[in-house]
Amino acid sequence: TQLLEQSPQFLSIQEGENLTVYCNSSSVFSSLQWYRQEPGEGPVLLVTVVTGGEVKKLKRLTFQFGDARKDSSLHITAAQPGDTGLYLCAGGGGAGSYQLTFGKGTKLSVIP
Amino acid sequence: DAGVTQSPTHLIKTRGQQVTLRCSPKSGHDTVSWYQQALGQGPQFIFQYYEEEERQRGNFPDRFSGHQFPNYSSELNVNALLLGDSALYLCASSLWATNEKLFFGSGTQLSVL
Repeated sequence: TQLLEQSPQFLSIQEGENLTVYCNSSSVFSSLQWYRQEPGEGPVLLVTVVTGGEVKKLKRLTFQFGDARKDSSLHITAAQPGDTGLYLCAGGGGAGSYQLTFGKGTKLSVIP
Repeated sequence: DAGVTQSPTHLIKTRGQQVTLRCSPKSGHDTVSWYQQALGQGPQFIFQYYEEEERQRGNFPDRFSGHQFPNYSSELNVNALLLGDSALYLCASSLWATNEKLFFGSGTQLSVL
């Protein structure tokens, strides 16, 4: 069974601070996705990374896929209250497997 | 362009009852996946439907069953409800060809009393 562990589980920071959340596994994933979920809503896809060592930037968000494709990180620069939400990482199962394996998420609160 | 729509938004049932949840995929999508998200957890894969067939199934008992209709919409049925079935049930749609790019609905919050 493939498992994804996310850390920290909870994070509360002041507006303008930087933060990094982590997603780790002992298994190799063909791809890794990051989602943000707000209360009462479904997850919304932020980014997909597929190549070991890949770095993608989305405005103030920077996503990195580990060289061995077992881990990933999300860095947010100058956090804003609108960044508040549950950040989920999800690993793709590779050839023949269409299910995503999700971590438990990091709940981020950005205080104005 | 309507996104993924799910109904109902909330549902309360008692143990032993049966429930049916419904999902309409995003326009142009042909694949529907169902996920269960318990409180404080990430979504867990239940199963996926494409061309009206179950293509892959996660680690869920046979009490969980589904269906996909010719218009690509889908239903999730759960029989003999248990307290532990209380969760947010999420439907996600995608294109079979680019299967891992999922668009989620807002979910159905099921409470089993």
